[in-house]
Amino acid sequence: QSVLTQSPSVSGAPGQRVTISCTGSSSNIGAGYDVHWYQQLPGTAPKLLIYGNNNRPSGVPDRFSGSKSGTSASLAITGLQAEDEADYYCQSYDSSLSLVFGGGTKLTVL
Amino acid sequence: EVQLVQSGAEVKKPGESLKISCKGSGYSFTTYYIAWVRQMPGKGLEWMGIIYPGDSDTRYSPSLQGQVTISADKSISTAYLQWSNLKASDTAMYYCARHEYSRGTWGWFDPWGQGTLVTVSS
Repeated sequence: QSVLTQSPSVSGAPGQRVTISCTGSSSNIGAGYDVHWYQQLPGTAPKLLIYGNNNRPSGVPDRFSGSKSGTSASLAITGLQAEDEADYYCQSYDSSLSLVFGGGTKLTVL
Repeated sequence: EVQLVQSGAEVKKPGESLKISCKGSGYSFTTYYIAWVRQMPGKGLEWMGIIYPGDSDTRYSPSLQGQVTISADKSISTAYLQWSNLKASDTAMYYCARHEYSRGTWGWFDPWGQGTLVTVSS
C-alpha cells in the first residue's frame, strides 16, 4: 500500500481534459510538503512533469498543470493526445523520514 | 546537459552479491543528492534511499534499511547501489535520479538514469 493514493486508471478521448488525483495525509501533503508529478512512457524511465505543486520544467507543454489543496493534489491534462498515454506518479515527502510515491495511474487515450 | 548513466543489465543467482552504478555528468556531482528508486515488474515506483556525495550523508527508506547499501565515489562522480545476498524478490528495474533539495525541504527527482534491470533467478 502506497502512502499516497492514486486511482489505478483513468481514460479520455483525444482533445478531452482528464485529472489524476493524489491523496495523502497530515504527515505528508497535509503537512505542507510539496507534490511533484512524473510521466513514465512505456518502457522508459520516469520524467519530471510538475515540480513544487504547480511548476512545469522547461519543455513540458502547458497542457499539463498541477494543483494542491489540503491533503490532496491533482494533475490536469487538457487537449489529450495519443502520446500522453503513460503511467503518472505523484511524489512528496512524509514525516516518517521517507520520500514517497503514489501507486501510479495508468492513462489510456481512447 | 545534466545526465545520469547507469550500468548495464545484470543476471544473478540467489545469494550472490552485486553492485550497480550511476555516473553523473554535466553538473557539480558533490552538491546534489542522488537517490535510488526501485520498480518491481508491473509495479510502481519505490524510493530506496539517498546519498549526498559531498559528505556521503546517506538515508534509507525505513522499509529497506539493511537490505542494500548506497555509496558514492565523488572522484569519479559515481553513485552505487549494492547487495550482499540477493534474493529472487530483488528482481526489478533500478533507477538513479538526481534529487533537488529545495527551500530547505526534500524536493523532486530530475533527471533520471535510464535504469538497470536486475534479474535474480536460480
